[in-house]
Amino acid sequence: KAGVTQTPRYLIKTRGQQVTLSCSPISGHRSVSWYQQTPGQGLQFLFEYFSETQRNKGNFPGRFSGRQFSNSRSEMNVSTLELGDSALYLCASSSTGQASYEQYFGPGTRLTVT
Amino acid sequence: AQRVTQPEKLLSVFKGAPVELKCNYSYSGSPELFWYVQYSRQRLQLLLRHISRESIKGFTADLNKGETSFHLKKPFAQEEDSAMYYCALRRRAGTALIFGKGTTLSVSS
Repeated sequence: KAGVTQTPRYLIKTRGQQVTLSCSPISGHRSVSWYQQTPGQGLQFLFEYFSETQRNKGNFPGRFSGRQFSNSRSEMNVSTLELGDSALYLCASSSTGQASYEQYFGPGTRLTVT
Repeated sequence: AQRVTQPEKLLSVFKGAPVELKCNYSYSGSPELFWYVQYSRQRLQLLLRHISRESIKGFTADLNKGETSFHLKKPFAQEEDSAMYYCALRRRAGTALIFGKGTTLSVSS
């Protein structure tokens, strides 16, 4: 099985711009979660989508949004970028039922805001 | 709200020494607890979960509900254990996975 893929892998944006990141889960996985990873805060949960619906949401401002498509692929959007949004953004997919406890992580998208 | 605390940012040990990575959580119910590991230039991956009560790569973790802890232990550290370790919690299936800030384990010879 192919693993979780994320595009692009690296991104440089300017303050005030917006950005869209993409995540393709493992085939058959319907849950996709997004995390922000920074040296100071570690891994912080952004949101989770399951069957095209946002199922869980972390404590991030409304500038951070996401969506999931019928093929389970997910996108994350950040509007009006701030310097503090510079981070590694990870997505993870998981199966359902008994196997839902394990999250499979992608390689991440490194976002730099200048 | 649930919270996961890993008090050590860095733990340095010599090869063959015992290792204990600390994890404390705050949650009033009975959560599910996990340890994830990220080796250099690799993806974050699940190491073990408390329900399975198994040993993975020589690591074990016991859930202590009285102390709300889920420490990760290994009797004899190996250099290949060097990595970033994250403790994580979720209330139940279908809820968000909340991570601690992680502990870097460095094992030297």
